[in-house]
Amino acid sequence: DVKVTQSSRYLVKRTGEKVFLECVQDMDHENMFWYRQDPGLGLRLIYFSYDVKMKEKGDIPEGYSVSREKKERFSLILESASTNQTSMYLCASSLSLAGVGQYFGAGTRLSVL
Amino acid sequence: RKEVEQDPGPFNVPEGATVAFNCTYSNSASQSFFWYRQDCRKEPKLLMSVYSSGNEDGRFTAQLNRASQYISLLIRDSKLSDSATYLCVVGSGGGADGLTFGKGTHLIIQP
Repeated sequence: DVKVTQSSRYLVKRTGEKVFLECVQDMDHENMFWYRQDPGLGLRLIYFSYDVKMKEKGDIPEGYSVSREKKERFSLILESASTNQTSMYLCASSLSLAGVGQYFGAGTRLSVL
Repeated sequence: RKEVEQDPGPFNVPEGATVAFNCTYSNSASQSFFWYRQDCRKEPKLLMSVYSSGNEDGRFTAQLNRASQYISLLIRDSKLSDSATYLCVVGSGGGADGLTFGKGTHLIIQP
């Protein structure tokens, strides 16, 4: 089974802090994704990566950056956390970008106070 | 903008009943289709892919209607454990932004 592991289930941070969300997958997938999920808005793509050191913006990249130094690890960075970034963050990986299903981590519920 | 629309529900259905819901998509070039299940406060999990010929997995049947641009999910003999939110996902075959998630249909199976 594919395993996608997110480093934290719950995080509480203060406005202005730099926040790192880590994601590791064990299936040698090329593609990794970061989403946020908010009530009434569904899943929204923040960034994705199709190879090591490659990254592409999704629908809502503002206020976020990402890092993919190793194939198995994809990090989401909030340079200066704000209260509107309070959300559930979900990491996913897949064999291809759109042709097959994605496998999700358990999510990180981030609260920015 | 590519859209994937679902009735948010909730659908309240008695245990043992058959329930079906649809999902419409706006991009006629869409090439891949999936149903995901998401339990409360958990991550989405791939339930099944949807093929042009339709496919069945136990009590679950998925259908694709390209002419009318919708996919459907049918659940027979529903169980209490089927209570969840079902997400429709459509891929255009392009980049990752070619995967569009619906906002989900909330299903509640009642004893």
